[in-house]
Amino acid sequence: AQSVTQLDSHVSVSEGTPVLLRCNYSSSYSPSLFWYVQHPNKGLQLLLKYTSAATLVKGINGFEAEFKKSETSFHLTKPSAHMSDAAEYFCVVSDSGGGGNKLTFGTGTQLKVEL
Amino acid sequence: EPEVTQTPSHQVTQMGQEVILRCVPISNHLYFYWYRQILGQKVEFLVSFYNNEISEKSEIFDDQFSVERPDGSNFTLKIRSTKLEDSAMYFCASRTFRGLRQETQYFGPGTRLLVL
Repeated sequence: AQSVTQLDSHVSVSEGTPVLLRCNYSSSYSPSLFWYVQHPNKGLQLLLKYTSAATLVKGINGFEAEFKKSETSFHLTKPSAHMSDAAEYFCVVSDSGGGGNKLTFGTGTQLKVEL
Repeated sequence: EPEVTQTPSHQVTQMGQEVILRCVPISNHLYFYWYRQILGQKVEFLVSFYNNEISEKSEIFDDQFSVERPDGSNFTLKIRSTKLEDSAMYFCASRTFRGLRQETQYFGPGTRLLVL
């Protein structure tokens, strides 16, 4: 079975300061990990993904995440927050154990960016 | 850039009625999915579909739900007799198929279903 835990339901940062959204995963197989973002009244957009290549993954809009197997973590970071980053962020895991490669979502972290 | 599209964007229905949610996946994709997100809760997997058959389904996907690919472009989710608890945002997703390698699932904008 696979699961993800997003450790913070809400994170608030000031514009221009670093962002850290935490995620821990559990998977019976070699996992693929993703971060998706959902802006208000919008669909789910892929930020970045890890699929067993480089452990530091760079995504869109300056976001990156590091896969740490020893810590079973895949935290999302950004050096400098922008107002447009305010959204809900989902950490997602998928393993190759099932033929359908279903995604399992975390509960989400609401990011608020203040002036 | 190709996108997954979904119609309608919003649907209001009476309890017990049948609804069909429609999706047009990205044209060269072979795997199709439905997920749902009840308000305030996390996104949940419903079903995956490949080669004209269900490849995996969750406990949520009971006999009231069905999926179909009626032609070469549409992928539908039917709920036969809607319940209040079916009210949610329903997302369609699709991806290419390259064996067990994990390819990105691309999501549509969702259909917000409200059952009264």
